Amino acid sequence: EAQVTQNPRYLITVTGKKLTVTCSQNMNHEYMSWYRQDPGLGLRQIYYSMNVEVTDKGDVPEGYKVSRKEKRNFPLILESPSPNQTSLYFCASSLGRAVPLYFGPGTRLTVT
Amino acid sequence: ILNVEQSPQSLHVQEGDSTNFTCSFPSSNFYALHWYRWETAKSPEALFVMTLNGDEKKKGRISATLNTKEGYSYLYIKGSQPEDSATYLCAFRAFSARQLTFGSGTQLTVLP
Repeated sequence: EAQVTQNPRYLITVTGKKLTVTCSQNMNHEYMSWYRQDPGLGLRQIYYSMNVEVTDKGDVPEGYKVSRKEKRNFPLILESPSPNQTSLYFCASSLGRAVPLYFGPGTRLTVT
Repeated sequence: ILNVEQSPQSLHVQEGDSTNFTCSFPSSNFYALHWYRWETAKSPEALFVMTLNGDEKKKGRISATLNTKEGYSYLYIKGSQPEDSATYLCAFRAFSARQLTFGSGTQLTVLP
């Protein structure tokens, strides 16, 4: 089944404790990206990647890191999480720029 | 950051009613316009991707139109059903941009 997977789905952590949210797709998509969803705001892009070892900042990259060592994986790293990073996070992938995004199931992160 | 606006913010209709909502985006440098359907506790799913002025797309009872010269797209739902209740997101990609910019969505509730 073609899909984007994310783990964990839910995470409660404390300020400053490094964490990684994994994202994997099995569709051989070139493009992958991370979004966060906050109440009253649209999906805001954090980082995106156009291919292996090619990443770039989105609209809200502060406090996040990513890597794309393999085509299928695009982990999101929070080196020192803070409460303002409490949010719903989505990973997405696509074949190109004018085709649909496929979203993962989402990760709800709470930083206390 | 590009301005993508959706209206109305929320909408309640009776089962069987037809409805429509709007996505406004910059009229210059257009590349693609996406529509997604996002049900509560799920992840967004693609409805349409439109790239040409005058494009009309249809999927069952849902259709969309695109006017790139004036910078708007309409999403229409004919004969709304309770299962159509969801948030409908549009997303704009400029020709020069590497990322999608999402609107904040229209939340549709269809009352039985």
